[in-house]
Amino acid sequence: NAGVTQTPKFRVLKTGQSMTLLCAQDMNHEYMYWYRQDPGMGLRLIHYSVGEGTTAKGEVPDGYNVSRLKKQNFLLGLESAAPSQTSVYFCASSDIQGSQPQHFGDGTRLSIL
Amino acid sequence: AQSVTQLDSHVSVSEGTPVLLRCNYSSSYSPSLFWYVQHPNKGLQLLLKYTSAATLVKGINGFEAEFKKSETSFHLTKPSAHMSDAAEYFCVVLNAGNMLTFGGGTRLMVKP
Repeated sequence: NAGVTQTPKFRVLKTGQSMTLLCAQDMNHEYMYWYRQDPGMGLRLIHYSVGEGTTAKGEVPDGYNVSRLKKQNFLLGLESAAPSQTSVYFCASSDIQGSQPQHFGDGTRLSIL
Repeated sequence: AQSVTQLDSHVSVSEGTPVLLRCNYSSSYSPSLFWYVQHPNKGLQLLLKYTSAATLVKGINGFEAEFKKSETSFHLTKPSAHMSDAAEYFCVVLNAGNMLTFGGGTRLMVKP
């Protein structure tokens, strides 16, 4: 059982380039999330989805877009990468019940030069 | 709004000695609280969770945490540290709508 899988694991971009991070989960979870992790700040929510075809903004959505065309996939896009978006990105998924924990992928380390 | 504060950014202990990682929370109602662990280059793994049942919560790998409403605390403890416990630990509160708010993290170092 793979759980939550993120691709790619590492990426280096130049300022202004675009890219898409892919998250796939095989647990039939309704909720999916994208976070960024920066030193001393824990994880901050970028965007999330409460079901197929729905997305919503989190705490730090600027500069990012997302799509949830299939229940098992959640894509995070950077249209024009900036050095401030250098971070480690984590995808997570959870059951619809509020008390259930989230299951995390292993992260994507993204550097913007 | 719910929030958590981890009182120490770094904690260093010797192998075999007790571990204490401190967390205070702020919430307008009885919160659901979690501790997650992150090993290098890995995602986060749930250690334990509190959801208004027993105030002393036991988790994996010998960790436990006690919910103290009067002190608004949810400190993580382990009687005897192991080298494999070296990692970053996050205290997390569950908000309305199934959203998590993370503390800043505590990096635990274990000396031989």
